[in-house]
Amino acid sequence: SQQGEEDPQALSIQEGENATMNCSYKTSINNLQWYRQNSGRGLVHLILIRSNEREKHSGRLRVTLDTSKKSSSLLITASRAADTASYFCATANRGNNRLAFGKGNQVVVIP
Amino acid sequence: SAVISQKPSRDICQRGTSLTIQCQVDSQVTMMFWYRQQPGQSLTLIATANQGSEATYESGFVIDKFPISRPNLTFSTLTVSNMSPEDSSIYLCSVDERGNTGELFFGEGSRLTVL
Repeated sequence: SQQGEEDPQALSIQEGENATMNCSYKTSINNLQWYRQNSGRGLVHLILIRSNEREKHSGRLRVTLDTSKKSSSLLITASRAADTASYFCATANRGNNRLAFGKGNQVVVIP
Repeated sequence: SAVISQKPSRDICQRGTSLTIQCQVDSQVTMMFWYRQQPGQSLTLIATANQGSEATYESGFVIDKFPISRPNLTFSTLTVSNMSPEDSSIYLCSVDERGNTGELFFGEGSRLTVL
C-alpha cells in the first residue's frame, strides 16, 4: 500500500503564526485527507480533498493538492495553543479506498 | 458523526498473555477497521472487520495473532494474542460512517504496554 510522507516532521511556532506541512505520495488516489491526533489519542478527521480538486478551505485550514507532483500541503493560519498536536495525511487508493497514513508532523504552538 | 467507544483505554499486560479490545459504535456502520500505532509511529491497518464473516487482514498481520470478531454492525473486538513487548502500541478502532468514502472516524484508542 502507498504511504504518504510528511515534511517537516516537527514544527514549533509562536501562537498567531501560520503552520505549513507537506505530504507526498506515490500512486493514484481517490482522495487525500488530513487528520489530527492529540497526545496519542484517537484521530480526528480535519479535511478531505478529492483527486480532482486543487484547493480546499475549512475554517483556518487550507489544503492544496498537486496530483502531478503527488503532493499536498496543509496550512493552519493564525495558530493557537490548542492546535498543538500531531498531523497525519492519509491517502485513499483508487482501488479500494483503504487509507494509508503518513508518518505525521508534530506541531507545537507556543502561547 | 458516529460515537466510537473503546475498552480498555489502557492496560499493562504480561508477556505471553492475550487481551481483547472492544469497539462499540452508537450507530450501524458497514466498514469497520482496526489500526495499530506503535510508539512514535504512524498508523498501520491491521484488518477490516467484516460483519458475519472473517476479517480481511493486511500483509504482515494474521488471524492467529490478531483474531477479530464482528457479530453485528455496531460492535467488534480485536484480540492481541500471545503478547510480546513488540506488541506495545495504541490499537485504534475506526469506522467509515458514510460508506466507503475513505473518511474515517476513530475511537480514542487502547494503549497497551506489554512487559
